[in-house]
Amino acid sequence: SAVISQKPSRDICQRGTSLTIQCQVDSQVTMMFWYRQQPGQSLTLIATANQGSEATYESGFVIDKFPISRPNLTFSTLTVSNMSPEDSSIYLCSVEGGEWSYEQYFGPGTRLTVT
Amino acid sequence: GQQLNQSPQSMFIQEGEDVSMNCTSSSIFNTWLWYKQDPGEGPVLLIALYKAGELTSNGRLTAQFGITRKDSFLNISASIPSDVGIYFCAGEETSYDKVIFGPGTSLSVIP
Repeated sequence: SAVISQKPSRDICQRGTSLTIQCQVDSQVTMMFWYRQQPGQSLTLIATANQGSEATYESGFVIDKFPISRPNLTFSTLTVSNMSPEDSSIYLCSVEGGEWSYEQYFGPGTRLTVT
Repeated sequence: GQQLNQSPQSMFIQEGEDVSMNCTSSSIFNTWLWYKQDPGEGPVLLIALYKAGELTSNGRLTAQFGITRKDSFLNISASIPSDVGIYFCAGEETSYDKVIFGPGTSLSVIP
């Protein structure tokens, strides 16, 4: 399985500001995914990021709030814009296990607290 | 929308006991996945299941893909303290083509 790192591991931010989270994979992958995990909750898919195309957002998530970049096959960023305390969550990136696989492998997550 | 249910929501067991948890859905799934999440870390894939009736083991863990394709269970034998964590089921629902996650089962092991 791929080795995935995320930066930062945690941050405390003021409301109204933005934070960009980086996700780096040690191998080339076609699809990368961004999830949100609110405190004590399960994982909710924010968007799917394919290299060379616009990210596909799930219902309830919009590009203006969560812009995503995917400049190459090993890297992606998620920005949380104009943050409010409700954005306090763990943000996780993941990659698929293979072209025909629904297995996903996760990074360690970024724990965001908005004050 | 698509939804998975997990039971129990939480459990407290003595070290050495066996554990059983399950995951159910109202719709048919093509793939079932079981993950474990430790505090402060991302989920780790434990077992993946691809065929109805499939029974797969990974050490002390055993999982099965239900015959109806609407459920799956995970068993842990002879629990140890490092089994503590949150166990998520996840699956790929036939009409959705994405993976969705259940709400999780929190496991505590009492030494």
